[in-house]
Amino acid sequence: NAGVTQTPKFQVLKTGQSMTLQCAQDMNHEYMSWYRQDPGMGLRLIHYSVGAGITDQGEVPNGYNVSRSTTEDFPLRLLSAAPSQTSVYFCASSYGSGFNQPQHFGDGTRLSIL
Amino acid sequence: AQKITQTQPGMFVQEKEAVTLDCTYDTSDPSYGLFWYKQPSSGEMIFLIYQGSYDQQNATEGRYSLNFQKARKSANLVISASQLGDSAMYFCAMRHPSQAGTALIFGKGTTLSVSS
Repeated sequence: NAGVTQTPKFQVLKTGQSMTLQCAQDMNHEYMSWYRQDPGMGLRLIHYSVGAGITDQGEVPNGYNVSRSTTEDFPLRLLSAAPSQTSVYFCASSYGSGFNQPQHFGDGTRLSIL
Repeated sequence: AQKITQTQPGMFVQEKEAVTLDCTYDTSDPSYGLFWYKQPSSGEMIFLIYQGSYDQQNATEGRYSLNFQKARKSANLVISASQLGDSAMYFCAMRHPSQAGTALIFGKGTTLSVSS
């Protein structure tokens, strides 16, 4: 079972470069989300989607874009990378957006911005 | 504001012993879910156990159980018969309808070290 697949696992960028972090799930989950994990700050929500064609901002959306053209895929785009975006990025999905739905996470992407 | 507090930065336990990881939460919403995740040194986030605010009984999943005390707003994770592979960071998290995006709200985590 693939679950939630994130690519790449590691990436180093220069300030100002753009890139897309890929996320795909094969569980037919309607809800997908992106978090970033920083030391001492836990995980914080960047963007989320409750279904294909529907996205919204989370707690820390600045500098990131998302789109959801299919149920399976939810890519995260860094528009112009900044050192403050150095972090570990997790994609997560759940069957729905209910409070009783556990979110299942990908293995993460470790991103360094120089 | 909704919040998760994990007061133990690190815990140490010997193999085969039980250990309790503390979690308290703060919300005024009557509907919420509480989750525990394990993050080993390899970095992935693994879902362990779930407890709903309306559940009457404590959740159990194999060696994991959740000691849910609603009046005290606590949701402690109990790991029985610890194994070396249990060494990891453990996060308590909450999900509820009034949170933007029904996002998970995480605590800062507890590092568990299991020794032989």
